Amino acid sequence: GENVEQHPSTLSVQEGDSAVIKCTYSDSASNYFPWYKQELGKRPQLIIDIRSNVGEKKDQRIAVTLNKTAKHFSLHITETQPEDSAVYFCAAVNSGGYQKVTFGTGTKLQVIP
Amino acid sequence: ETGVTQTPRHLVMGMTNKKSLKCEQHLGHNAMYWYKQSAKKPLELMFVYSLEERVENNSVPSRFSPECPNSSHLFLHLHTLQPEDSALYLCASSTLGQNNEQFFGPGTRLTVL
Repeated sequence: GENVEQHPSTLSVQEGDSAVIKCTYSDSASNYFPWYKQELGKRPQLIIDIRSNVGEKKDQRIAVTLNKTAKHFSLHITETQPEDSAVYFCAAVNSGGYQKVTFGTGTKLQVIP
Repeated sequence: ETGVTQTPRHLVMGMTNKKSLKCEQHLGHNAMYWYKQSAKKPLELMFVYSLEERVENNSVPSRFSPECPNSSHLFLHLHTLQPEDSALYLCASSTLGQNNEQFFGPGTRLTVL
């Protein structure tokens, strides 16, 4: 089955700095890679995703890169703000029909004002 | 947000009790999922229902029994649980097909005494 590793487990940055979270996956059949943000006491919510036929995607301050050959993908947050503080989960999905999702272990991001 | 709702939000039960968790989605989705979220562990996929048929059971003990009577409702029946089953149980739904976002419910915080 799929195995997703995520690093680091915790990350503290000063407000305005960038944050990078990295994930690796094992199953070459995975073809969809979403990132979820979970604020304390709340549900996970999708913030950005990337399909396997794309190498990079950007949405305002958030970007994701995918290297299929190396089987790794990364989340980049620029100009961090205190409201970016949350736990971020990467996931690898084999989506032939229903979604078989394997999540990473999560990264707790703290943005220090 | 009312797209995916879960009840109850909190549940405390003894090891000999029988209880049920309920999930309802109002998004017109045709796939539903149960996840377990424990401290310091990744989100673990438990069950997947596609068009009301169970298509995935990730080696979940039989003390957890899912039920999907229609495409809008999903239940998780609990019987003779163990203290290590204490966790946040999240329901999610999506549309079948490739690369579709999963929408999560707020979760049920379960404590087994």
